[in-house]
Amino acid sequence: GAVVSQHPSRVICKSGTSVKIECRSLDFQATTMFWYRQFPKQSLMLMATSNEGSKATYEQGVEKDKFLINHASLTLSTLTVTSAHPEDSSFYICSVTGADSPLHFGNGTRLTVT
Amino acid sequence: QKEVEQNSGPLSVPEGAIASLNCTYSDRGSQSFFWYRQYSGKSPELIMSIYSNGDKEDGRFTAQLNKASQYVSLLIRDSQPSDSATYLCAVINAGGTSYGKLTFGQGTILTVHP
Repeated sequence: GAVVSQHPSRVICKSGTSVKIECRSLDFQATTMFWYRQFPKQSLMLMATSNEGSKATYEQGVEKDKFLINHASLTLSTLTVTSAHPEDSSFYICSVTGADSPLHFGNGTRLTVT
Repeated sequence: QKEVEQNSGPLSVPEGAIASLNCTYSDRGSQSFFWYRQYSGKSPELIMSIYSNGDKEDGRFTAQLNKASQYVSLLIRDSQPSDSATYLCAVINAGGTSYGKLTFGQGTILTVHP
């Protein structure tokens, strides 16, 4: 069964609005979750590491004020894309590390900003 | 030089043949290597992980690792049309402090034709 649940799977929003994406770890408590982004025909790029109870760690070039991450519990991390613009349109994927295995990915969120 | 490099393909093989996917990485200290399969519009799913030199087999899949050459490959035997997807090579770099912080290659598109 699914290890990671991500919602919504698809969202279309207008430029300037904010969008929240939820990522839930279903099988275990996750002190760390990861947010990746994938543009069409490109590979996955790590955006940030979400840490339960503390600030997220952002990769170089990712605007922390634009991509707000909240990891308030051991099973839930949220990514909010603030003031979205068409160039933010992408496939956003969260992931969780298992106890003895590498990343389990959520089903992803296809964001389209019009 | 990219940290993880793959031939983007597309690689086309006939049904029943062996598909060979290759990946090189730049960080000599890398210890953990993974192959993910990604269908169009979907999240990646883990196929194989390999940590030590040599071969690791799981069903029709065999991962091969050569740390001296900084090379990891994936062989798919008896290829099926359902194997048609993008295959992503991923590495955890030596300096990585997080098990989940993977660096992905750009992916190889595999097409298995009947």
